[in-house]
Amino acid sequence: SAVISQKPSRDICQRGTSLTIQCQVDSQVTMMFWYRQQPGQSLTLIATANQGSEATYESGFVIDKFPISRPNLTFSTLTVSNMSPEDSSIYLCSVGDRDQPQHFGDGTRLSIL
Amino acid sequence: RKEVEQDPGPFNVPEGATVAFNCTYSNSASQSFFWYRQDCRKEPKLLMSVYSSGNEDGRFTAQLNRASQYISLLIRDSKLSDSATYLCVVNMRTSGSARQLTFGSGTQLTVLP
Repeated sequence: SAVISQKPSRDICQRGTSLTIQCQVDSQVTMMFWYRQQPGQSLTLIATANQGSEATYESGFVIDKFPISRPNLTFSTLTVSNMSPEDSSIYLCSVGDRDQPQHFGDGTRLSIL
Repeated sequence: RKEVEQDPGPFNVPEGATVAFNCTYSNSASQSFFWYRQDCRKEPKLLMSVYSSGNEDGRFTAQLNRASQYISLLIRDSKLSDSATYLCVVNMRTSGSARQLTFGSGTQLTVLP
């Protein structure tokens, strides 16, 4: 399976600031996704990162808060904007082609003070 | 009703025990099914896909009952290293050809020496 690298692995941020998380894959993949896992919860899909076009957001998530880029088939970024303590979470990118299971990066652990 | 429901546990079992996890899903149009394993503070990792005919991988057996919309995971001869949270994951078609993974809340397993 693809090797997926996320940066940063963790960060502590001040409220009101923004952080961009990077996801790099060692091979071209069709589908890239961004998830959030809040403390003690399961994973929730934020959006599907589409190469060359705007991301597809799930209910409850908006582009202004979570802008996503996907300039090519191996790289995507997720920005968490104007952060508040409620954004403290693990953010995970995953990759997977249409009918295949997804594989995850090792996540970004974000704490907002 | 949640789209994917699991018994959260925790399941505390002695080494060598057999343990079974159950999962139900609400969307009859669901296409594919997986069990993921998530260790504490780590990303989810694919354990096995689940097929209609049932499938086995060593000590792990997964079964799918489409009529009852029910998935199970059986672990035989439990090892200490099996301690983790097990996530039931359903891949369902949304709009057009898009599919997304929906995660259950996870079942926590602790294997005791």
